[in-house]
Amino acid sequence: NAGVTQTPKFQVLKTGQSMTLQCAQDMNHEYMSWYRQDPGMGLRLIHYSVGAGITDQGEVPNGYNVSRSTTEDFPLRLLSAAPSQTSVYFCASSYSVYTEAFFGQGTRLTVV
Amino acid sequence: KNEVEQSPQNLTAQEGEFITINCSYSVGISALHWLQQHPGGGIVSLFMLSSGKKKHGRLIATINIQEKHSSLHITASHPRDSAVYICAVLQGAQKLVFGQGTRLTINP
Repeated sequence: NAGVTQTPKFQVLKTGQSMTLQCAQDMNHEYMSWYRQDPGMGLRLIHYSVGAGITDQGEVPNGYNVSRSTTEDFPLRLLSAAPSQTSVYFCASSYSVYTEAFFGQGTRLTVV
Repeated sequence: KNEVEQSPQNLTAQEGEFITINCSYSVGISALHWLQQHPGGGIVSLFMLSSGKKKHGRLIATINIQEKHSSLHITASHPRDSAVYICAVLQGAQKLVFGQGTRLTINP
């Protein structure tokens, strides 16, 4: 049972490049979400999904796209990276928002 | 003003002390989570509360919905409890809003 697998762990991008952060869970969780964590600020919700085919925006969605084609996977896409997207990103999953959340190990992204 | 305020921001204590971390929120919520972020960065869920009190080992979490306040207590604190503790509130149907975290250091 791997839990929530998030890759990569570290990434450096140049401004304007695109990339996809991968998130996969093997617990058959319906609710999955992406957060960013910046110094001096709490975790902020980027996008979330309540099941395959259903996604919605969180607090800071601009510059990010998501899709949920399967229950297991919830990738986060940066279409044109900007220095303001330098952050630590966490993926999480749970049966619902009312149950225990499981977090990935995080991705430290630097955009130069 | 943040919707979720945690206090204190930093807390240093000696091993064995009783620890209290507070979380206040300004809007109506349907649930509240307490999380622990280890020095290495990993995040684990400690509690989810919608009312009353929960206990797990040396950790106790309480919530007062009317006063919009929750506390996390650690009894007989240990250096391995050193971490950042994060409060998150569920607003509306599906969105979690997080506090900035409380950095706890327990000295031996």
